[in-house]
Parts: sequence; C-alpha cells; structure tokens
Amino acid sequence: EAQVTQNPRYLITVTGKKLTVTCSQNMNHEYMSWYRQDPGLGLRQIYYSMNVEVTDKGDVPEGYKVSRKEKRNFPLILESPSPNQTSLYFCASSPLRDQTQYFGPGTRLLVL
Amino acid sequence: GQSLEQPSEVTAVEGAIVQINCTYQTSGFYGLSWYQQHDGGAPTFLSYNALDGLEETGRFSSFLSRSDSYGYLLLQELQMKDSASYFCAVRNGLGGYQKVTFGIGTKLQVIP
Repeated sequence: EAQVTQNPRYLITVTGKKLTVTCSQNMNHEYMSWYRQDPGLGLRQIYYSMNVEVTDKGDVPEGYKVSRKEKRNFPLILESPSPNQTSLYFCASSPLRDQTQYFGPGTRLLVL
Repeated sequence: GQSLEQPSEVTAVEGAIVQINCTYQTSGFYGLSWYQQHDGGAPTFLSYNALDGLEETGRFSSFLSRSDSYGYLLLQELQMKDSASYFCAVRNGLGGYQKVTFGIGTKLQVIP
C-alpha cells in the first residue's frame, strides 16, 4: 500500500530534550515536506526537500532541522524543543513535478 | 512572499451546493490546489488547477482565474460526510515546485 508513515504519533517531552520525528514514504517520491498545523494558522511549511541531499527552508524553519540522506526518509529534528513548538506535525511527499501531496497521519507533539 | 485568503467558516444544507473562495498573492505561480481535512485526520488532495477554467471531479469542481488571482472549490449535492476543513494551497519558487503555502482553511459544516 502506497503510504507516508510518521513516528511517533504522539509525543510528550520537556523543554530542551532533543527529539526526532521520522517520516518515510514508499512511493519513490522526490519531494518531501514537513508542516506544522496550529489552530487559526492553517498548515505552515517548515522545510522541504526536492531530492536526496537537497533541502530548503519553508516559512517557519526556526528551531527545526532536517536531513535527506535517503530518498524515502525525511526526519524532522528538534534539537532543543520549546513550548511554542507544541503542535500537530505532518509529513508529506509528492512526485517532483506533481502538485498532489500525500500526507502522513500526523504527529501530535506537546512540549512542557 | 505568498499569502492566501479564504473564509474561515461556511455552513450549508445537505443536498445543496457550496462554493469556497480563495484569493492569493504570490510570485512564480504554478497552480492552485485544494485539500480536504476531517477533524483528527490528515489532509487529502482534492484537485489542482494550473490553467484558467473549471476542473471537475465527481461532485467536486475547482475553478481558477489567474488574471484575478482567484479560485474556488465547488461542492455539489452536499453530504454530511463533506463536513470538514478545506484548504487552498499554492506551490511556487524560482525553480518551480518548491515552497508550498496553504490558506488558513475553511471549516464547512453541512446541516440536515
């Protein structure tokens, strides 16, 4: 089954404790992206990647890091999480020249 | 930068037709997409317009006017299961198919 998976689905952590949210897709898509969703603000892009070793900032990259060492994986790293990073996070992928993005199920993060 | 405007809420009666508008300001425009998101779920792709005109997919249609920087999503024969949030999105960048910006979403409530 074609899908985007994210882990963990739910996470409670404390300020300053490094964490990684994994994202993997099995559709051989070049484009992958991370979004955060907050009430009243819609989906905002954090980082995106157009292929292996090619990443770029979205609209809200501060406090986040990403890497793209393999085509299928695009982990999101929070090196020192803060409470304002409490949010619902979505990973998505698409073919490079296709507007259809496929979203993962989401990761709900609470930073205390 | 990019920005999109859409109404925050719309209410419509089951069986009726509803139109959700989206206006955008962007550079390097490559098309307008629409996504549906049910409460607690992930966004799912509905439609995409790269050129002016109407695209129809079953009960859903999407329209784009590039000269007016305006588009809309039309839902016909509304069903209770259409109650969800609907997001418009643009994908743009110097090389194309890069940064993605979403509107804040329109929450559609379908009433009996």
